Amino acid sequence: NAGVTQTPKFQVLKTGQSMTLQCAQDMNHNSMYWYRQDPGMGLRLIYYSASEGTTDKGEVPNGYNVSRLNKREFSLRLESAAPSQTSVYFCASSETGQSRGEQFFGPGTRLTVL
Amino acid sequence: GNSVTQMEGPVTLSEEAFLTINCTYTATGYPSLFWYVQYPGEGLQLLLKATKADDKGSNKGFEATYRKETTSFHLEKGSVQVSDSAVYFCALHYNQGGKLIFGQGTELSVKP
Repeated sequence: NAGVTQTPKFQVLKTGQSMTLQCAQDMNHNSMYWYRQDPGMGLRLIYYSASEGTTDKGEVPNGYNVSRLNKREFSLRLESAAPSQTSVYFCASSETGQSRGEQFFGPGTRLTVL
Repeated sequence: GNSVTQMEGPVTLSEEAFLTINCTYTATGYPSLFWYVQYPGEGLQLLLKATKADDKGSNKGFEATYRKETTSFHLEKGSVQVSDSAVYFCALHYNQGGKLIFGQGTELSVKP
């Protein structure tokens, strides 16, 4: 089991460029999440998908879009990158219901926007 | 609103020292509480959890007790090792809301 995988591991963009961060899980989890991690701010939820076919905004959704492609895959898209989106991005997955607090995280994507 | 506050880091200890990382929360109702750990260059992984008042979570020598009266979930370990150097995150979760709310993280550095 690979768990949660993310690609790419590192990315440098110029302001205004677009990119998609990919995430896949092989644990048959229904729920998937995208977070960003910034120094001194913990993790903040960008978007989540409680189940295949549904997506909802989290705490900081502006500037991002998501696609729940199927049960395994949940991608995050930056349409026009800004320096404020320089961060480390983590994808996570979990079971539904009471176990949703037990989340499994990928290794992260380190994004720099110049 | 719901929130989690952790003691500020970085915390620097010598090997075999006693560790406490304070965590308090603000919430309505009865959330579940978690500690996650992030080793350098990696994603977060669940360290321990407690789902109701007075529950004690434990794993790898770490412990935390869900104290409703003081709204706290402090992380403790009796004797830290260099390999415990990491960032520790306290978090709360509501079953109905489905979202984890994280504290800002506390960096622990253990010196030999």
